[in-house]
Amino acid sequence: GESVGLHLPTLSVQEGDNSIINCAYSNSASDYFIWYKQESGKGPQFIIDIRSNMDKRQGQRVTVLLNKTVKHLSLQIAATQPGDSAVYFCAERDTGGFKTIFGAGTRLFVKA
Amino acid sequence: GAGVSQSPRYKVAKRGQDVALRCDPISGHVSLFWYQQALGQGPEFLTYFQNEAQLDKSGLPSDRFFAERPEGSVSTLKIQRTQQEDSAVYLCASSLVGAVAGIGNEQFFGPGTRLTVL
Repeated sequence: GESVGLHLPTLSVQEGDNSIINCAYSNSASDYFIWYKQESGKGPQFIIDIRSNMDKRQGQRVTVLLNKTVKHLSLQIAATQPGDSAVYFCAERDTGGFKTIFGAGTRLFVKA
Repeated sequence: GAGVSQSPRYKVAKRGQDVALRCDPISGHVSLFWYQQALGQGPEFLTYFQNEAQLDKSGLPSDRFFAERPEGSVSTLKIQRTQQEDSAVYLCASSLVGAVAGIGNEQFFGPGTRLTVL
């Protein structure tokens, strides 16, 4: 299949280590944020989301942190596995609710 | 259960040809979205349907792009007189309820159609 993110920033981590992927968002009016994972040849897959009235939300092996003061979002993946290798996108929605704006993406490469 | 499906998966068109891309959303999903993804970039919003109503088409790049969802289920994105700059992956997504920025109203994406215009 086609390759996603040929020229994206790359984060390389050792299997079992924790990963942190960062994202700066642009719209102060955004009140809903999502992280997606995209593997080659597939569409983006929802990982976790957070509303602007929260600063932290945890899922299974993943945590999203939101800092509204500096408009920064991060995704933490615990005990990273080879299957986590993919391109990760942060996305934001404004109060209108349906137009999702995606960030540029980061490629995560997990070394076994 | 079946996810969002798109067809064809790959389409090669000569410049000037018309193309039609199909999206089958998850059964019962109210909202349907089309995105365009250029190589190495994040998806960009094109248009949004709630049932059969097209509520937002502000992301369509030109009047050569047209989308429809006549019965509130299957959707077609049509591109007339294709140009080389139309080459991209076209993604379709659906969500269960009307688009509300809420926890749990996630969008499920299809695998996309890769369009190459020669």
